Amino acid sequence: QLQLQESGPGLVKPSETLSLTCTVSGGSISSSSYYWGWIRQPPGKGLEWIGSIYYSGSTYYNPSLKSRVTISVDTSKNQFSLKLSSVTAADTAVYYCARLFGLEMLHGWGQGTLVTVSS
Amino acid sequence: SYVLTQPPSVSVAPGQTARITCGGNNIGSKSVHWYQQKPGQAPVLVVYDDSDRPSGIPERFSGSNSGNTATLTISRVEAGDEADYYCQVWDSSSDHPGVVFGGGTKLTVL
Repeated sequence: QLQLQESGPGLVKPSETLSLTCTVSGGSISSSSYYWGWIRQPPGKGLEWIGSIYYSGSTYYNPSLKSRVTISVDTSKNQFSLKLSSVTAADTAVYYCARLFGLEMLHGWGQGTLVTVSS
Repeated sequence: SYVLTQPPSVSVAPGQTARITCGGNNIGSKSVHWYQQKPGQAPVLVVYDDSDRPSGIPERFSGSNSGNTATLTISRVEAGDEADYYCQVWDSSSDHPGVVFGGGTKLTVL
């Protein structure tokens, strides 16, 4: 059974870089059927897609975040990662990783990890 | 960029039918997916490709999509259906294709 687990610091200082890793178990990140994505949810607000990556490294990013986001994949570790630079308090959110069928449908989510941006 | 519009809230009595709409320009030409999110939990896919249900999702959950509106219908609503619901599409029409979520609808079971 597929499992995704986010990991990384729960507290990041303003202007620094947020870094999270998603470890995939119960399936291969190198499957040709899937993309892998990051989604975030500020406290009390809705879902925001950050970006998606294919095992080959092909990426799609939310244009509103594109200048600050890098998503990468490590197939040897069955992991993919998120880096968000120059963070502010507005980047405080629960960050989820998820599996996408093709580019479209998110079926299989991590439990989410709260990242707080504060000095 | 493509915008999906959902009502902030919908209320329904137990046993009745809840309908949650998702509006978008010519959304009928896109595949719409719906997610249920309960407090403190990750979202769960409940309807995909407009009207299909993943394994394990009750038949009470159904969907439709035509014109400028997609609809998630929950029949015989139960207390356990109380949650936030989000619609989602893949927008390939712009210079920056990507995943788009609606703003979410809070379903309250009276």
